[in-house]
Amino acid sequence: AQRVTQPEKLLSVFKGAPVELKCNYSYSGSPELFWYVQYSRQRLQLLLRHISRESIKGFTADLNKGETSFHLKKPFAQEEDSAMYYCALSAAGGGNKLTFGTGTQLKVEL
Amino acid sequence: GAGVSQSPSNKVTEKGKDVELRCDPISGHTALYWYRQSLGQGLEFLIYFQGNSAPDKSGLPSDRFSAERTGGSVSTLTIQRTQQEDSAVYLCASTSRGTEYEQYFGPGTRLTVT
Repeated sequence: AQRVTQPEKLLSVFKGAPVELKCNYSYSGSPELFWYVQYSRQRLQLLLRHISRESIKGFTADLNKGETSFHLKKPFAQEEDSAMYYCALSAAGGGNKLTFGTGTQLKVEL
Repeated sequence: GAGVSQSPSNKVTEKGKDVELRCDPISGHTALYWYRQSLGQGLEFLIYFQGNSAPDKSGLPSDRFSAERTGGSVSTLTIQRTQQEDSAVYLCASTSRGTEYEQYFGPGTRLTVT
């Protein structure tokens, strides 16, 4: 069975500081990994997926199979980045059902 | 267009009662998922419907939980003989053919069992 771990419940940074939200996974196969975000009073939505290798809202995430990690990074935090971030994994042949981590609340302070 | 909708938004019920939670996916979306989020936990997969295929029920925690999807659209999650540990936010998501990797979530139903 697969597992996703987000070790930090809360991460507080100052505006303009770098951000790194940690995500580690355990899965014996080749996973597809995602970051979902939930802004205050909004729905959970997809932020980015590892396959696309895109930068979304300045965020990037690189899949490191050796370290089984998929950390989310942004060089300069903005106030509007404050939100709940969830790392999620989709197993091969699993019908795209997601295994989520417990989430990290990012708070960007002025 | 309209997103995924869920009803009710909040439900308070007494232990032992049955509850039904409804999900209306985005029109034309072929797959539908149910998750639940208990206090302090991540989202936990419950069940998944894809077209006319048999649903993947591997995440249902007990036989008190069941779900159906009528006409390939609306889905109802039923919890029988509710227990206090069933208290959680129940989320529904749907995906479109061709972009199955992106799940569109509803606002959730907050269930409280007293």
